[in-house]
Amino acid sequence: GIQVEQSPPDLILQEGANSTLRCNFSDSVNNLQWFHQNPWGQLINLFYIPSGTKQNGRLSATTVATERYSLLYISSSQTTDSGVYFCAVGTGGLKTIFGAGTRLFVKA
Amino acid sequence: NAGVTQTPKFRVLKTGQSMTLLCAQDMNHEYMYWYRQDPGMGLRLIHYSVGEGTTAKGEVPDGYNVSRLKKQNFLLGLESAAPSQTSVYFCASSSNSAGYTFGSGTRLTVV
Repeated sequence: GIQVEQSPPDLILQEGANSTLRCNFSDSVNNLQWFHQNPWGQLINLFYIPSGTKQNGRLSATTVATERYSLLYISSSQTTDSGVYFCAVGTGGLKTIFGAGTRLFVKA
Repeated sequence: NAGVTQTPKFRVLKTGQSMTLLCAQDMNHEYMYWYRQDPGMGLRLIHYSVGEGTTAKGEVPDGYNVSRLKKQNFLLGLESAAPSQTSVYFCASSSNSAGYTFGSGTRLTVV
């Protein structure tokens, strides 16, 4: 089956810093999503982005489907950005596969 | 705007007991899913549904059953709970053009 790899596995930032999270996948996909799981366990959908670029406030995402990767950009990080960021891909049907996540801690 | 509601939020079961987790969505989404999340791991798909009256197996379906008698509800059943089923369970729903909306999760402990 398709493999989803996220990097880095862990990231510590000083508040205000920028960061880039990466998601590589091993096969063609027809959908890709980014999620944030906050320290209380809640999962929030950040982007549904099978291709192209989207922006939402300080967050933006780019998926280059032909090269099998997606990037999540966080600018001017805040402590509330802390948590785990998951990339999830679908190859057809509804079986979406999640990566292991990037754990982010933003220091005040 | 409730979105996706899961009940209960917490539960402790003894080995061999049964229980049902309820997921309800008010967004008229066609697709619904049950995932489990174990410490330090991502989410793994248990079962999913493409519409009322239909269900399908995901990555880790053994030991679970599901039903979708109404479009807005997706039930996950454990007939005989085992300690290996200790986990956090998440329900999600989606439509053709939008990503997942997750519920807040159910933390289940089997002793």
